[in-house]
Amino acid sequence: SQTIHQWPATLVQPVGSPLSLECTVEGTSNPNLYWYRQAAGRGLQLLFYSVGIGQISSEVPQNLSASRPQDRQFILSSKKLLLSDSGFYLCAWSGEFAEQFFGPGTRLTVL
Amino acid sequence: AQKITQTQPGMFVQEKEAVTLDCTYDTSDQSYGLFWYKQPSSGEMIFLIYQGSYDEQNATEGRYSLNFQKARKSANLVISASQLGDSAMYFCAMRARGSTLGRLYFGRGTQLTVWP
Repeated sequence: SQTIHQWPATLVQPVGSPLSLECTVEGTSNPNLYWYRQAAGRGLQLLFYSVGIGQISSEVPQNLSASRPQDRQFILSSKKLLLSDSGFYLCAWSGEFAEQFFGPGTRLTVL
Repeated sequence: AQKITQTQPGMFVQEKEAVTLDCTYDTSDQSYGLFWYKQPSSGEMIFLIYQGSYDEQNATEGRYSLNFQKARKSANLVISASQLGDSAMYFCAMRARGSTLGRLYFGRGTQLTVWP
């Protein structure tokens, strides 16, 4: 069966520090992968999606970037965090009907 | 453009009763999919149910059913025999054929509270 992992689970970072969040998927090959952000009490905002290694598309211009160095690995990064980057970050992969299966998420607090 | 609307920010239901969570959508595509997700306080998004636009019957998954009314562009989630563990945020989402590689459009969610 397929599983999706994210780490770290929680993160507290100062403004201006770098960021690296990792997502890995097991049990499937060549998945579509997605990064979402959810602000407190809000819906989901799609940040990036990827259909293959090295192929990244951005939905929202911001100081975040994404990379896919391996088929089942998706990384979200920033060189300098902003206060507005605080939120809950979810990674997902898509299944047969394009339903998306989400990881457990990373709660990021920027101080 | 695709749009999902959930007009109920919060809903309350007594344990063992049924509850309906509303969802309307807007799309010009003929082929699309509709999804419901549950997000408990832990934060994880849990996929509940899927309905394809060409499916003639309403989708059901255990205590969850999707009341799909295509002409009205609504896809309401019905939870039967509510349980305390059903308390969570519920999101409706849509995928359209023209959307970017399976991208889902999410509504703002409905917070469901089940009381004993």
